[in-house]
Amino acid sequence: KAGVTQTPRYLIKTRGQQVTLSCSPISGHRSVSWYQQTPGQGLQFLFEYFSETQRNKGNFPGRFSGRQFSNSRSEMNVSTLELGDSALYLCASSSQYGMGTQEGTDTQYFGPGTRLTVL
Amino acid sequence: AQKVTQAQTEISVVEKEDVTLDCVYETRDTTYYLFWYKQPPSGELVFLIRRNSFDEQNEISGRYSWNFQKSTSSFNFTITASQVVDSAVYFCALSDQGAQKLVFGQGTRLTINP
Repeated sequence: KAGVTQTPRYLIKTRGQQVTLSCSPISGHRSVSWYQQTPGQGLQFLFEYFSETQRNKGNFPGRFSGRQFSNSRSEMNVSTLELGDSALYLCASSSQYGMGTQEGTDTQYFGPGTRLTVL
Repeated sequence: AQKVTQAQTEISVVEKEDVTLDCVYETRDTTYYLFWYKQPPSGELVFLIRRNSFDEQNEISGRYSWNFQKSTSSFNFTITASQVVDSAVYFCALSDQGAQKLVFGQGTRLTINP
C-alpha cells in the first residue's frame, strides 16, 4: 500500500499571502490529522477530519483551516501568513474502523511533510 | 491535560552501545495509548510501537524494546547494540481513547557515532 503523500514538499511564501497544503491518506483510511512542527513549540496538533467533518481542533488561530473531501483527501489552508507560520506541516492518516478494537486500527501514519518558509 | 516529557534533549553514544530513551506521561484518562515515533533527517515520522494503557506487557522487536510502567507513568525505549542508522529524533506520544489527537514530547535527538 502506498503511504501518506503530501504536496508540495517545499513552499516559500511571503508574509500576508495564503497557502494550501494537500494530503492524500493511505488507501482505505478515513481519518486525516494535521500537525505543525517548529523548533520552539515542537509537534502540535492542528485538527482532525473524518468523513468530511472536523472532529477535533487544536489551539490555533482561525487563520488555520482545513477540509476533507469525499475520497478522504485533505487540504489545509493558512491565510495571512506570518513569519511564525514557518514550519514543517505533517499530515497523518488512520483507518478508524475499529476505534481501538483492533490492534493498530487507530495508529496514525505520517506523510513526509510540507516545509513552509514564510519570508 | 495530557502531557509527555522526554527529559533527554540529546544523547550521543558510540556504535554498539545500548541506549535508553526516557518518556514520562501525564493523563487523567483511564484508557489511553502510548506511541513511539522515529524522525530521520528526511522529516517523516515513522511509527515504531503503540501500547494500550490496559496492556503492561513489555515488548521486544529485534534490537528495540519498550518498558511500560503505569505505576511510574513511564514508557521507556531501549535500543540494544545501537547502529549508526538509529541516529534520528525519537518522539514519545500520548493519545486518548479516540486516538486521533497525539500529544508529543519534545523529542530526543539520538546520535550514534561510528
